[in-house]
Amino acid sequence: NAGVTQTPKFQVLKTGQSMTLQCAQDMNHEYMSWYRQDPGMGLRLIHYSVGAGITDQGEVPNGYNVSRSTTEDFPLRLLSAAPSQTSVYFCASSTGLRSHVLTFGAGSRLTVL
Amino acid sequence: AQRVTQPEKLLSVFKGAPVELKCNYSYSGSPELFWYVQYSRQRLQLLLRHISRESIKGFTADLNKGETSFHLKKPFAQEEDSAMYYCALSGRGNYGQNFVFGPGTRLSVLP
Repeated sequence: NAGVTQTPKFQVLKTGQSMTLQCAQDMNHEYMSWYRQDPGMGLRLIHYSVGAGITDQGEVPNGYNVSRSTTEDFPLRLLSAAPSQTSVYFCASSTGLRSHVLTFGAGSRLTVL
Repeated sequence: AQRVTQPEKLLSVFKGAPVELKCNYSYSGSPELFWYVQYSRQRLQLLLRHISRESIKGFTADLNKGETSFHLKKPFAQEEDSAMYYCALSGRGNYGQNFVFGPGTRLSVLP
């Protein structure tokens, strides 16, 4: 099994450009989430989904959109990139909200110039 | 509101010395507490969870509800323990039932 797959691993954007970070899991997990990792701030929740068609905001949702049309995929869209969105992004999934154990992707490093 | 604090950004110990990574939390209820670890060039992975009461790679952590702490301990640190450690809480908060992570502590075990 591939687990949680994130693409791309690295991306450089100019301010104002848009892009989508892809996340796919093959474990039939209901719960999927996006975090950003910044030095000294740990992992902060951006958006999450408890199943296909259901998404909700986390701690730092501004500037990001998500959708969940299938159980497997949970893309994160940056509509107009800003330097403050320079970060490492992690997708994580679990069998459900109460499974309590997250499986993480390898991360996507985004730089916005 | 849910909150996890880890007071040390960096902790350096010598090989064979005891190590304790501190974690405190705030949560109005009965949380689930976890330690996740990220070794160099590897993915974040679960190290242990309080409900399992197990020892993983020699690490243990005890939930102290009175002190709202979940410190991670190992009696004899090894060089391969060098990594980034995150304390995490699972509970119901501002963003539904979710996971909240602390800022992380980088453990460096010196030879």
